[in-house]
Amino acid sequence: QITLRESGPTLVKPTQTLTLTCTFSGFSLSTSGVGVGWIRQPPGKALEWLALIYWDDDKRYSPSLKSRLTITKDTSKNQVVLTMTNMDPVDTATYYCAHYLRLDSSGYVWYFDHWGQGTLVTVSS
Amino acid sequence: DIQMTQSPSSLSASVGDRVTITCRASQSISTYLNWYQQKPGKAPKLLIYAASSLQSGVPSRFSGSRSGTDFTLTISSLLPEDFATYYCQQSYSTLTFGGGTKVEIK
Repeated sequence: QITLRESGPTLVKPTQTLTLTCTFSGFSLSTSGVGVGWIRQPPGKALEWLALIYWDDDKRYSPSLKSRLTITKDTSKNQVVLTMTNMDPVDTATYYCAHYLRLDSSGYVWYFDHWGQGTLVTVSS
Repeated sequence: DIQMTQSPSSLSASVGDRVTITCRASQSISTYLNWYQQKPGKAPKLLIYAASSLQSGVPSRFSGSRSGTDFTLTISSLLPEDFATYYCQQSYSTLTFGGGTKVEIK
């Protein structure tokens, strides 16, 4: 059974750096064809993909946020950490981590099949 | 970046209705398109992957199809538990989600 859980501060001040941790179980991030992604959702708005890290430590970032994001993994702890610098009130959102699975060797059929419950981060002074 | 445009942004329907939601990609993404359902206060749930493959455990009233760069999610007969917001997401290149379609009770 795959589970993921996000943890981190619920309130950050503008200009601060946000650090979120995704702790997971039921899979290994050293297994080929597996990744963990971060997705956020401002209140009442759509989902926005932020970052991905793959089993081989390849990393991908949203082009619009790339300069502010860093994603890392600790395979031994079953954790993925996302840092976002220079937080602004517009970054107020629920942040989700999710298990990203490759269906086949073609490399293109990937999907988020398990999600954490999400954590609401508010940016305010 | 590949843009994913969903339409409509919202719709009102009744239990038993057939509902169709469209997602248009700004360029070819082959069949690398997924659909998710999200209920208020909950994480999204995978419904369809690779444009038309039903995720395990998802009811067969949900189906997906593709015509060129247009993708469709169809709910054949709406049930009360289907009132939710639906998102498409492409995995062909840098990930993007559509803007969502909220299905409301008429």
